[in-house]
Amino acid sequence: NAGVTQTPKFQVLKTGQSMTLQCAQDMNHNSMYWYRQDPGMGLRLIYYSASEGTTDKGEVPNGYNVSRLNKREFSLRLESAAPSQTSVYFCATYPRRGWTNEKLFFGSGTQLSVL
Amino acid sequence: QKEVEQNSGPLSVPEGAIASLNCTYSDRGSQSFFWYRQYSGKSPELIMSIYSNGDKEDGRFTAQLNKASQYVSLLIRDSQPSDSATYLCAESNAGGTSYGKLTFGQGTILTVHP
Repeated sequence: NAGVTQTPKFQVLKTGQSMTLQCAQDMNHNSMYWYRQDPGMGLRLIYYSASEGTTDKGEVPNGYNVSRLNKREFSLRLESAAPSQTSVYFCATYPRRGWTNEKLFFGSGTQLSVL
Repeated sequence: QKEVEQNSGPLSVPEGAIASLNCTYSDRGSQSFFWYRQYSGKSPELIMSIYSNGDKEDGRFTAQLNKASQYVSLLIRDSQPSDSATYLCAESNAGGTSYGKLTFGQGTILTVHP
């Protein structure tokens, strides 16, 4: 039972390169999220998927795209990486849409550097 | 633009003392409030959630919420070196759509020294 698995754990890109961050969960949770964390700025929501088949923008969606491939997988794509996208990226899941008293389950994070 | 502001750190307390972490939020529609702890190089983990005005206690942790003042706090009693971490305050007003859609504060670094 792995929980929330993110790949890769570390990545270095050159400006203009593209890549996809992968997230998979085995907890049968409905909702999935991508957050980024920059020093001194807490976590900011990039995109989320409240349920399979839906995606919505968060606070900082520019420069990113997402795909909810199925209930288990939610990927984040950088089409043309920029140095401003250097950050730690966390995927998270939430058990049930509309339920309180639950919590976000986070993956271990991907540290991305764009040179 | 919703904002969550945490008291500036870092905060340093001696072992056994009470650590007090504070947070204010701008959105009066916020319904749910959370404290996450994040060890260096690790992912955040939920330690407290609070939804109603007043205090909520869980072991050494007490969360306090005052919606009229738009203020949330976390008290850690009998602080231990293992409590040294970054503490993130977060809020949600997503209602029935998506409770995982959180707005986080910038975090407060807590150091508990022996």
